Amino acid sequence: GDSVTQMEGPVTLSEEAFLTINCTYTATGYPSLFWYVQYPGEGLQLLLKATKADDKGSNKGFEATYRKETTSFHLEKGSVQVSDSAVYFCALTMNTGFQKLVFGTGTRLLVSP
Amino acid sequence: DGGITQSPKYLFRKEGQNVTLSCEQNLNHDAMYWYRQDPGQGLRLIYYSQIVNDFQKGDIAEGYSVSREKKESFPLTVTSAQKNPTAFYLCASSVAGAGNYNEQFFGPGTRLTVL
Repeated sequence: GDSVTQMEGPVTLSEEAFLTINCTYTATGYPSLFWYVQYPGEGLQLLLKATKADDKGSNKGFEATYRKETTSFHLEKGSVQVSDSAVYFCALTMNTGFQKLVFGTGTRLLVSP
Repeated sequence: DGGITQSPKYLFRKEGQNVTLSCEQNLNHDAMYWYRQDPGQGLRLIYYSQIVNDFQKGDIAEGYSVSREKKESFPLTVTSAQKNPTAFYLCASSVAGAGNYNEQFFGPGTRLTVL
């Protein structure tokens, strides 16, 4: 079945460091890809998305590019802030029928001052 | 403000008791969802509903039940048949319909602890 694999955390960085969180997927067709963020004690918020190969999603300084050849959707940010500390989930959905979201296990990011 | 509310934020129950988690949305969304989140795991779909008076099982429906009598409300009952009910439960809603992805908006969650 369709699945998403994320790097295990926690990822611990100092403020202003460069962030990469790896995400790869397995799908029988051509999914849409997403990054969700969960701040402590809260629900999930959509951070960015890409719906086809080579699309780049971006929001709040975060970026991710849909790479069909490597089945990847890595999340990057050039300079993290303490306020970026959260859990980040990579997810996919197939664009047919009921659009079930398939989530990765999440990666916790801890940013220290 | 439009959004999704879940209550209560924390819930404690004794083993063997049924418990109902509330989810209300005022986004005028047709579709609603319940997910379960466990430490170190992604979200897993319990039930979903694409229209009033209709709902479907997700990947882990055993031990849970839902109803969808109103568009705004999608309560989840965790029954005594659920073997390991302690978890964080998230409700979501979206515009319904196939084709382009319809963003799911999430509530703040309810943390259920069974003692």
